[in-house]
Amino acid sequence: DIQVTQSPSSLSASVGDRVTITCRASQSISSYLNWYQQKPGKAPKLLIYAASSLQSGVPSRFSGGGSGTDFTLTISSLQPEDFATYYCQQSYSSLFTFGPGTKVDIK
Amino acid sequence: QVQLQESGPGLAKPSETLSLTCTVSGGSISSYYWSWIRQPPGKGLEWVGYIYNSGSTDYNPSLRSRVTISVDTSKNQFSLKLRSVTAADTAVYYCARDIYSSGWRRFDYWGQGILVTVSS
Repeated sequence: DIQVTQSPSSLSASVGDRVTITCRASQSISSYLNWYQQKPGKAPKLLIYAASSLQSGVPSRFSGGGSGTDFTLTISSLQPEDFATYYCQQSYSSLFTFGPGTKVDIK
Repeated sequence: QVQLQESGPGLAKPSETLSLTCTVSGGSISSYYWSWIRQPPGKGLEWVGYIYNSGSTDYNPSLRSRVTISVDTSKNQFSLKLRSVTAADTAVYYCARDIYSSGWRRFDYWGQGILVTVSS
């Protein structure tokens, strides 16, 4: 199995802050990495696929980067609606695995 | 706009079979992959398995011996059966469209989720 880890597990930030979340895979997965946002009681929402491609309808303040084993999700200017938990997911292996999540809350 | 809706019992007894259905509206179930993903309360996401409209399937090895996913294209539905459930199978179960385009796969549409509790 390809293990996926995230850091930090949680962070506190203010509106307007630049926030970066890191995802690391246990082996090289090229750019087969997706990012999701989940709010309490809701289904996850796709933000970024193929490491850096913005899903249609997602604000441009979200961006993704990286390849191989190390990836980042950046929110350039945090908005009130961005407080949520963020998950990365690898699609390199047909056994899809998710990271444990990063919770972003209000400082 | 594609919409997915999970349905089924919210309670299952230990050792019995959990059965859920996902109804797809706003688009055809054909020519896509469709997955089940679950999330125990307060925990992270676990992929359960997928089906392609031809009926080909793949499952999480940790669940393979107990899970079956099937599709009914005439009803635009796909279903999950998980046998011999225990309390560890208590989770919110999501169905999702598993799109494969330009060589990239991702879950782009999700149902709202259904909480299934395993308890006697």
